[in-house]
Amino acid sequence: GAVVSQHPSWVICKSGTSVKIECRSLDFQATTMFWYRQFPKQSLMLMATSNEGSKATYEQGVEKDKFLINHASLTLSTLTVTSAHPEDSSFYICSATTGTYYEQYFGPGTRLTVT
Amino acid sequence: QKEVEQNSGPLSVPEGAIASLNCTYSDRGSQSFFWYRQYSGKSPELIMSIYSNGDKEDGRFTAQLNKASQYVSLLIRDSQPSDSATYLCAVRRNNDMRFGAGTRLTVKP
Repeated sequence: GAVVSQHPSWVICKSGTSVKIECRSLDFQATTMFWYRQFPKQSLMLMATSNEGSKATYEQGVEKDKFLINHASLTLSTLTVTSAHPEDSSFYICSATTGTYYEQYFGPGTRLTVT
Repeated sequence: QKEVEQNSGPLSVPEGAIASLNCTYSDRGSQSFFWYRQYSGKSPELIMSIYSNGDKEDGRFTAQLNKASQYVSLLIRDSQPSDSATYLCAVRRNNDMRFGAGTRLTVKP
């Protein structure tokens, strides 16, 4: 149980284009979903927290107009990187929480390369 | 002071030994504590959770929690090369989870 999927697993896009990443909880309804970014050999960096049907809460320093998050249902959240630039190239990972103890289950991640 | 602190390592142990990973946290109101394993290039995987003081064992893994000392640890018995990874400590209060930077563990055959 507690499986989270992400799509795509990797994507290459040109500078200036937008990329959408999907995060789905497959066998549970997620009360909250999280989006992280991780650069090589660095720790996880929380970008934003989203609850179904409400606006995402972004961490300080994360541009909400650049990283658009939509949490349309209890099983789906999307992250859109708008007007991507090479410095946005990173490993984007979503997670979802369920249950009393709010343990987070992570998706497999999406590796974004902007050329 | 960081909210969740871990020794970055690398921690190197021989195969079959006990690996001991430590984590301290600053928020005394923290309610739940987790250990994640992250292999290089992969996303974190939940391996242990602990909510009350004491020890919790699951196979070769034992999590230890001491809320008075604000300390949580993970012991890996009979370490295997496949345990080589970065181990992340996570601490939760309400719906706010904070991760440590991780300890890199290498188990040498």
